[in-house]
Amino acid sequence: KQEVTQIPAALSVPEGENLVLNCSFTDSAIYNLQWFRQDPGKGLTSLLLIQSSQREQTSGRLNASLDKSSGRSTLYIAASQPGDSATYLCAVDSSASKIIFGSGTRLSIRP
Amino acid sequence: DTAVSQTPKYLVTQMGNDKSIKCEQNLGHDTMYWYKQDSKKFLKIMFSYNNKELIINETVPNRFSPKSPDKAHLNLHINSLELGDSAVYFCASSQRRDGEETQYFGPGTRLLVL
Repeated sequence: KQEVTQIPAALSVPEGENLVLNCSFTDSAIYNLQWFRQDPGKGLTSLLLIQSSQREQTSGRLNASLDKSSGRSTLYIAASQPGDSATYLCAVDSSASKIIFGSGTRLSIRP
Repeated sequence: DTAVSQTPKYLVTQMGNDKSIKCEQNLGHDTMYWYKQDSKKFLKIMFSYNNKELIINETVPNRFSPKSPDKAHLNLHINSLELGDSAVYFCASSQRRDGEETQYFGPGTRLLVL
């Protein structure tokens, strides 16, 4: 059974710092892994998607890595801004139509 | 005991037809969502309802019409289906408590338009 864990559950850093969010999964047989952002009262926004054959994806100040063998993914945010404050979730697609989400990391960027 | 259920699980239909996908949640949540998972596996939000009221309506063709008869149900009706509508559609529900919100997803409905 696939389990997805995110550590830490909450993180607060001053503006401008680089930071890393972690995601681990127990079953390496995945199709892809996706990082989402969730703002209060809003739906999920997809940030980056890494296919199982890929090692990393980059979009602007965001970089996501995937190590299937160790069951880990990281989301690196460079030069953090207050607008980055949100909950970040990773989700693993382990089958054709089932997506397992982590519990999320609540990120707060202090001005 | 299924928290968020969708029917049907698979739907194969011809272009031009009208079809509906149903979603029900038994979690007592106030908010429900419809997402479309495209061919690249990205999840994109389509609609969100809170207590039967539409609160999010992304740029979706008006052939797609959500209907929420009560807060436990959010159905998706699609008129005049097109080839590009083929995708997996996910329903989700959530409840905000103490500033936290977790979305629970249904199993998905795989739609294939021929």
